[in-house]
Amino acid sequence: ETGVTQTPRHLVMGMTNKKSLKCEQHLGHNAMYWYKQSAKKPLELMFVYNFKEQTENNSVPSRFSPECPNSSHLFLHLHTLQPEDSALYLCASSQDAGQGRSKGFGSGTRLTVV
Amino acid sequence: AQTVTQSQPEMSVQEAETVTLSCTYDTSENNYYLFWYKQPPSRQMILVIRQEAYKQQNATENRFSVNFQKAAKSFSLKISDSQLGDTAMYFCAFMKHGRGGADGLTFGKGTHLIIQP
Repeated sequence: ETGVTQTPRHLVMGMTNKKSLKCEQHLGHNAMYWYKQSAKKPLELMFVYNFKEQTENNSVPSRFSPECPNSSHLFLHLHTLQPEDSALYLCASSQDAGQGRSKGFGSGTRLTVV
Repeated sequence: AQTVTQSQPEMSVQEAETVTLSCTYDTSENNYYLFWYKQPPSRQMILVIRQEAYKQQNATENRFSVNFQKAAKSFSLKISDSQLGDTAMYFCAFMKHGRGGADGLTFGKGTHLIIQP
């Protein structure tokens, strides 16, 4: 158990649906991240939040909308997704001002868009 | 932009053998961090080992050690006395130093390591 919990573990949604992924960390960290893991591709950083403020949006399409209400919770709101958005979405957290601090990762949400 | 290359998509060794996974990276930064992460079938990314680029001494964690060659931009992982539980995807990752909160990781494509009984 790494202290980072993601729900749901699996999600199947149609292209017209709206759904949300949830991440919660119990490590007292101040930075949280969303990564996308697609088959045959490296993990891609999507969003970074530090002290609830978004500090990086890595050219992610607007159909992905992050929300960080506090340092312990991070959401990824999904709407009008495409089949190519099917992937494993991983959440991570770390201490602020990283300085190479290691990150705790969740087990991910396996998203399938049909 | 940084890139991380893992040239071995899959490796297979016998239990108790030693195996080395390769990783090279490209960056213009002088201060950075390098990591090896393990991802078993449970999907959770687990930190294996971490190296600070300004340290010449290679990091070690029990059976895991790295060979960090800064000039060559190489960062290989050696697993000694391999165990069945070491079977997993292994990812090499890079992070720039001093980016404040925006310290996202750049990952390689991974190496699938299989330990045979």
